[in-house]
Amino acid sequence: GQQLNQSPQSMFIQEGEDVSMNCTSSSIFNTWLWYKQDPGEGPVLLIALYKAGELTSNGRLTAQFGITRKDSFLNISASIPSDVGIYFCAGQSSGTYKYIFGTGTRLKVLA
Amino acid sequence: ETGVTQTPRHLVMGMTNKKSLKCEQHLGHNAMYWYKQSAKKPLELMFVYSLEERVENNSVPSRFSPECPNSSHLFLHLHTLQPEDSALYLCASSPSDSLSSETQYFGPGTRLLVL
Repeated sequence: GQQLNQSPQSMFIQEGEDVSMNCTSSSIFNTWLWYKQDPGEGPVLLIALYKAGELTSNGRLTAQFGITRKDSFLNISASIPSDVGIYFCAGQSSGTYKYIFGTGTRLKVLA
Repeated sequence: ETGVTQTPRHLVMGMTNKKSLKCEQHLGHNAMYWYKQSAKKPLELMFVYSLEERVENNSVPSRFSPECPNSSHLFLHLHTLQPEDSALYLCASSPSDSLSSETQYFGPGTRLLVL
C-alpha cells in the first residue's frame, strides 16, 4: 500500500532558526497538504499544494510540491515559540477520497 | 475556528457501554470523514461520506458504526469497544463531492478512553 515517509521525526531548534521538513511517497500524489497539530487539538491546515513544482507561502511558512509528485517540503523561517507542535503532511492520489498521512515531525523551539 | 465542531471533547466509557460521537461542519462541504489517531501512528482513515453516502469503509470493525443523516452532520456510534480503541477520533470535511483535489478541515477531536 501507499506509504508516506516524513522526516525528521523530531527537531529541537533555537528560536529564530529556520526549519525544514519533508515527506516522500512511494507513489504519485496530486495534492499535498501540510497541517500543524497542537496537543489535544485537531490538525489545522497550513498550506495546500495542487500542482507539481508549486511553491506556496503562508506567512513564515513555505511549502513546495515536488516535481516528481512524490515529495513535498515545508520550511519555517525565523521560528518562534508558538511554532511548537507536530507537523503532518498528507497526500492524495487522483480518483480517491483517501488522504495518506505522514507520521509527523515534532518541533520544539528553545527560547 | 475551523468550522468543524465535535462533541464530546472527552469521553470515558466501559467496554459494555454504547456511546456516540458527533461532528458538525458549518462550511457547506459535501464530504465528511472519520479518522482515528493513536499515539505514534499516522492518522488512520475510518470512513468517508460524500453527500450522505458512504464511499469509503477502511476495514473498520463493526463495533464502530457511522451515520450521516445530512451533509452537515456525522456520527460515530460506539458499542462494545476494546481498550485498544482508546484514541483521538477526528472528524474532517472537504468541499467537493467528486474525486478531485480538495483540502480537508479537521475538528478538534474527541479523546476517547475505553476502560
